[in-house]
Amino acid sequence: EDQVTQSPEALRLQEGESSSLNCSYTVSGLRGLFWYRQDPGKGPEFLFTLYSAGEEKEKERLKATLTKKESFLHITAPKPEDSATYLCAVQAASNTGKLIFGQGTTLQVKP
Amino acid sequence: NAGVTQTPKFRVLKTGQSMTLLCAQDMNHEYMYWYRQDPGMGLRLIHYSVGEGTTAKGEVPDGYNVSRLKKQNFLLGLESAAPSQTSVYFCASRVSGHLTSDTQYFGPGTRLTVL
Repeated sequence: EDQVTQSPEALRLQEGESSSLNCSYTVSGLRGLFWYRQDPGKGPEFLFTLYSAGEEKEKERLKATLTKKESFLHITAPKPEDSATYLCAVQAASNTGKLIFGQGTTLQVKP
Repeated sequence: NAGVTQTPKFRVLKTGQSMTLLCAQDMNHEYMYWYRQDPGMGLRLIHYSVGEGTTAKGEVPDGYNVSRLKKQNFLLGLESAAPSQTSVYFCASRVSGHLTSDTQYFGPGTRLTVL
């Protein structure tokens, strides 16, 4: 069964304190792994797609990496505006685009 | 470009009432999806469509029906609402089945409460 587990559930950081969020997955043939950001009361906002082990992508203070079993979202020198829930999802090899989501990690960055 | 829009934003129903949630996208996307989001459960797929006139069941389809009569619209119906359907509903759309266009774009959500 395809499954995604994110850890930790919640993370509190001081502004400037770098850290990483983890996304472990099991899927029958990975087509893609997606990271989204979700602010309270809003829909998920796309951040990254990773397709193969060893791939890395960066956007401002965020860097996503992928191995055969997990993905990390590294946050370097975070700012209060990075506070949000970060969602990880995987898409299996079928072409219907169904995503399996993890429960998310809620990040709070204090000034 | 408005992207993906959802109507209404909020709704309160009584048990047994029916309603339809509307999702519209102006990006000419082929694929559309309905998810529900509950605390501690993550986003779960209800139904999806791979093109106009097509629909398919997702992970949690019971109690819901969908229709895709026009390419730009995807409707989610609750025929007889139950308290277990209290949730936040999100619609998403995607270009096609090509590898480089897998990204799903989400709407702002509809918060539904069933009393």
